[in-house]
Amino acid sequence: DAKTTQPPSMDCAEGRAANLPCNHSTISGNEYVYWYRQIHSQGPQYIIHGLKNNETNEMASLIITEDRKSSTLILPHATLRDTAVYYCIVRVAWTSYDKVIFGPGTSLSVIP
Amino acid sequence: ETGVTQTPRHLVMGMTNKKSLKCEQHLGHNAMYWYKQSAKKPLELMFVYNFKEQTENNSVPSRFSPECPNSSHLFLHLHTLQPEDSALYLCASSQFGSGDFTNEKLFFGSGTQLSVL
Repeated sequence: DAKTTQPPSMDCAEGRAANLPCNHSTISGNEYVYWYRQIHSQGPQYIIHGLKNNETNEMASLIITEDRKSSTLILPHATLRDTAVYYCIVRVAWTSYDKVIFGPGTSLSVIP
Repeated sequence: ETGVTQTPRHLVMGMTNKKSLKCEQHLGHNAMYWYKQSAKKPLELMFVYNFKEQTENNSVPSRFSPECPNSSHLFLHLHTLQPEDSALYLCASSQFGSGDFTNEKLFFGSGTQLSVL
């Protein structure tokens, strides 16, 4: 699996956009970038994923650089409920099961 | 509601006790997982079951014994645990091999918070 690096923590003012960066410089051509988040003492929750194009859903937007070596998760209008640990994960191209390895992630604090 | 249910939500046990954690998924998935999360640490993958067959044992001590009787149920049997085993134990499921790789994502339960005294 490709390794990812994220800042350990970030703050964001409520109502502002939260931009969470992730570096994955060793990503392979057929590996996807996935984002999950974990609210305190709960199970992680899937947010979004992408290969090379920018993606948007009801939760967030994902911007992947053209060389695919980094990406940014954007929460357009952060709320207090977005306070969580955000994990950026690069998946192997295909396996018979989803051996997803989580790193330490970024702890996002949304401040009133 | 993620479709993955874990019971109990909290568990306190002594080092000589035997207990079991239960996980049930209502999503029709074909893979199930146990993860461990100690305080302020990343999630650690423990076991993976693929069509009821164990395909991954991430060097987990034998005092943790998984069981997958069918593709919807997963158990983690615990015996003679140590205080350092206190952690949040998370179950997850996923569907793979559907031909649509982009939809193969993990669904997690809420976890069992385990305290070993």
